[in-house]
Amino acid sequence: KAGVTQTPRYLIKTRGQQVTLSCSPISGHRSVSWYQQTPGQGLQFLFEYFSETQRNKGNFPGRFSGRQFSNSRSEMNVSTLELGDSALYLCASSLYPDLNQPQHFGDGTRLSIL
Amino acid sequence: QQQVKQSPQSLIVQKGGISIINCAYENTAFDYFPWYQQFPGKGPALLIAIRPDVSEKKEGRFTISFNKSAKQFSLHIMDSQPGDSATYFCAASHPNTGNQFYFGTGTSLTVIP
Repeated sequence: KAGVTQTPRYLIKTRGQQVTLSCSPISGHRSVSWYQQTPGQGLQFLFEYFSETQRNKGNFPGRFSGRQFSNSRSEMNVSTLELGDSALYLCASSLYPDLNQPQHFGDGTRLSIL
Repeated sequence: QQQVKQSPQSLIVQKGGISIINCAYENTAFDYFPWYQQFPGKGPALLIAIRPDVSEKKEGRFTISFNKSAKQFSLHIMDSQPGDSATYFCAASHPNTGNQFYFGTGTSLTVIP
């Protein structure tokens, strides 16, 4: 069974640009969450989607947005990129947004802002 | 504000020894406490998880000890192996926020042969 797939694996952008990251959850998983990982702040929750609806959002500015499609695939978008947005962006999927369901993480997209 | 505090930041253990990583939390609404293992270039992988209604959970060489009154929980890795060298994260979540996990800052474990 394929794991969580994130594309692209690496991305280099410049300040002011926007970027879209993609996540394909494990087959059958319907809940997708996004996290930002940096050396200074660690892993921080961005948002969670289930059945194409955002269920929960972390403490990030409105430049960070996401969506989920009917096939459970998810994308996140960051507009007007800042140097501080350089990070590893991780996607995790689970069957349902239920604490009894373990979350499975992808290997992330490494975003570098120049 | 860090909702889950993790220590130590780094840990060096001899092969065959016991690795112990500690976490503390303040929010008594937390009711699910997983531990994740992350290797360089990889995403975190769920190792073991516990709920506050039990004080200990063991899976192979990995054990979680949970102290509800002290609001602390710890990961013990018995018979540590070089292959266990990785970064370990504790996390916590509560019922009102679905899959929103609050992570500790991570512990870099090195097991020397």
